[in-house]
Amino acid sequence: GQQLNQSPQSMFIQEGEDVSMNCTSSSIFNTWLWYKQDPGEGPVLLIALYKAGELTSNGRLTAQFGITRKDSFLNISASIPSDVGIYFCAGRRAGGTSYGKLTFGQGTILTVHP
Amino acid sequence: DAMVIQNPRYQVTQFGKPVTLSCSQTLNHNVMYWYQQKSSQAPKLLFHYYDKDFNNEADTPDNFQSRRPNTSFCFLDIRSPGLGDAAMYLCATSRRDRPYEQYFGPGTRLTVT
Repeated sequence: GQQLNQSPQSMFIQEGEDVSMNCTSSSIFNTWLWYKQDPGEGPVLLIALYKAGELTSNGRLTAQFGITRKDSFLNISASIPSDVGIYFCAGRRAGGTSYGKLTFGQGTILTVHP
Repeated sequence: DAMVIQNPRYQVTQFGKPVTLSCSQTLNHNVMYWYQQKSSQAPKLLFHYYDKDFNNEADTPDNFQSRRPNTSFCFLDIRSPGLGDAAMYLCATSRRDRPYEQYFGPGTRLTVT
C-alpha cells in the first residue's frame, strides 16, 4: 500500500545536538502525526497536525505540517539520552475512505551518544 | 492514569495452536484497533471496532479474528498460528471524533514454535 518516505533512516548524534527528520509523500495528506516507539513498547503519540502550515510544539519537540500538504517535519532540540528510539511519521491521505487507517513511514532510528 | 493494557506481554504458542491476546483500556474510547508489527517495520492495521461494529482490513487473513465484549475489552484470536504470524501485536484506541490520534498499548510479543 501507500508508504510515506521518511528520512533519514537512522541518525547517530551527540547529546545536546538538535535533530531534524522529515516525511514526504507523492499524495496530499490532510492529517500528519508523529509517534515515538521505544524498544519492546508500543508507539506513543507525540504531535498531531491538522492544517497546512501548522507548527506545533510538545516540549523540546516541534512538528510542522508542510504547506504543500505532501510533507511534514519533526525537530528535537537539545537531545538527551531518553530521546533514543524509533520515530514514525503517520498520516491520513486526502480522499482516503478507510476510517482510522494511518499510513506509516518506515521510521527513523535515533541513537544519542552521551 | 488512563491507559491501554495488553496481556500477556509475551506469548509463546505452537504452530497451529489457537491463541488469544487481550487488550483493555481505561480511556473510555469508542474505537479500538489491532495492529501487527514485524521487526523493523511499521505497524500494520488488521481491523478495528467502531463501538460494536467490526471493520476488517481487506488484506487481513481469515486466520485473524477479533471480539469486543464491551467498551473496555477487545480480544485478538489467531485460529491457527503459522511461523509467519510471529510478531508484536499492538492494541490501540481512539475517540470517535479523532480516529487518527491513536493511543497504543505496550504490545504482546508472539512467538510461534
